[in-house]
Parts: sequence; structure tokens; C-alpha cells
Amino acid sequence: DAEITQSPRHKITETGRQVTLACHQTWNHNNMFWYRQDLGHGLRLIHYSYGVQDTNKGEVSDGYSVSRSNTEDLPLTLESAASSQTSVYFCASSSGIPGELFFGEGSRLTVL
Amino acid sequence: AQSVTQLGSHVSVSEGALVLLRCNYSSSVPPYLFWYVQYPNQGLQLLLKYTSAATLVKGINGFEAEFKKSETSFHLTKPSAHMSDAAEYFCAVTTFDEKLTFGTGTRLTIIP
Repeated sequence: DAEITQSPRHKITETGRQVTLACHQTWNHNNMFWYRQDLGHGLRLIHYSYGVQDTNKGEVSDGYSVSRSNTEDLPLTLESAASSQTSVYFCASSSGIPGELFFGEGSRLTVL
Repeated sequence: AQSVTQLGSHVSVSEGALVLLRCNYSSSVPPYLFWYVQYPNQGLQLLLKYTSAATLVKGINGFEAEFKKSETSFHLTKPSAHMSDAAEYFCAVTTFDEKLTFGTGTRLTIIP
């Protein structure tokens, strides 16, 4: 079965370190998204991509970057982790039907 | 820009009672509206969607929602709550660019 997987599922890091969260989907979807989930804020869009070599900033992109070198993967990088980036991160993909996203199980990141 | 407001961050209902989760939207163009459900330690999954066809939309697990343009609402209902319905529910909106904007979520607790 096609799926979307995130790794690591849990990570603890220190302030100032670079962190990369992986997202891999086997749906062959062109569209991929990264959200962060925080209590009281719901899910907020960080970055998104509509295809290989395409990346776009979302609502809360400061301190994050993504790259899209193939259809399957959209890694999210925190260049210099900050405590404010402690959160649960969700990757999602879509075939192009507006609003119909398939989510991974999330990566819980703690920045100490 | 579009947005959704979910009224009530926590809702508790008795098993067998009516479930009503409220969502109001704001959009300058006809919106696509969605409800997603998140079970503990999992990603979100699509419950149902409205895309300008029938105003009463039926989803999985016995849930339904009605689009009311005059009230700018898209409330989620289920006639009889089951213990397995305990989860967090998110209302979301998009237009044509596929970027979903989520509400802050409502945690549903079922009382035995």
C-alpha cells in the first residue's frame, strides 16, 4: 500500500543545532506540505512544494527550509534550532484534489 | 484570505448522545470546507468535505456536516456518539490553491 512516512518520530536536540526531519511518500504525489501543530494554534503551514525543484514559503517559514530533488521526498531543515521550534511536525501529500491531504504520523521535536 | 474558527476547544458528550462540533468560516470566494480527525499519536485523516455540490455532506463513521452560506457555518454532527469517536477534530478551508488553513481544533471526549 502507498504511504507517507516521517523520521525520526521523536527527537531531542539542543538550541543552535541543525536538524533535518525526513518525509517520504510512495503515493507519487506532486504536492507535499509541512505543518507544525501547537496547542491553541492548530496546524500551521511551514513550507510546501508542487513538484520537483519547486518550494514555497508558508505562514510560519522563518527558521525552516525545504528542498525537493525528487517526487518522493521533502526534507524539512531547521538551520539553527530554537526552543520556539519545539513542536509536532506533520508532513502531508496530495494528488492535486484541493484540500485532500494524506498525513504522516508526525515527528515530535524537542529543542532544549 | 480565508480562515476558520472552531468554537469550543473541548467538548464532552455522553455515549449515545448527539455530537455537535462548531465551525465558522471566512472566505472572499466560494470555499472548499473540510473536517479532519486526529486520533491519539496519529496524523490527521479526512472525515468529510464540501466542494459546492450538496450542502449536506456525509462522511466516514456516521458523521455529517451542513454548509450554511447565510450563517458561514460548517458544523459537524453525529446522531449518536460512540467511545471510538474520542479524538481531536479540525475544520479546514481552502479555495483553489490547495493550501489548507486549519482551525485550532476541538477535542471530543466521550463519557461512558
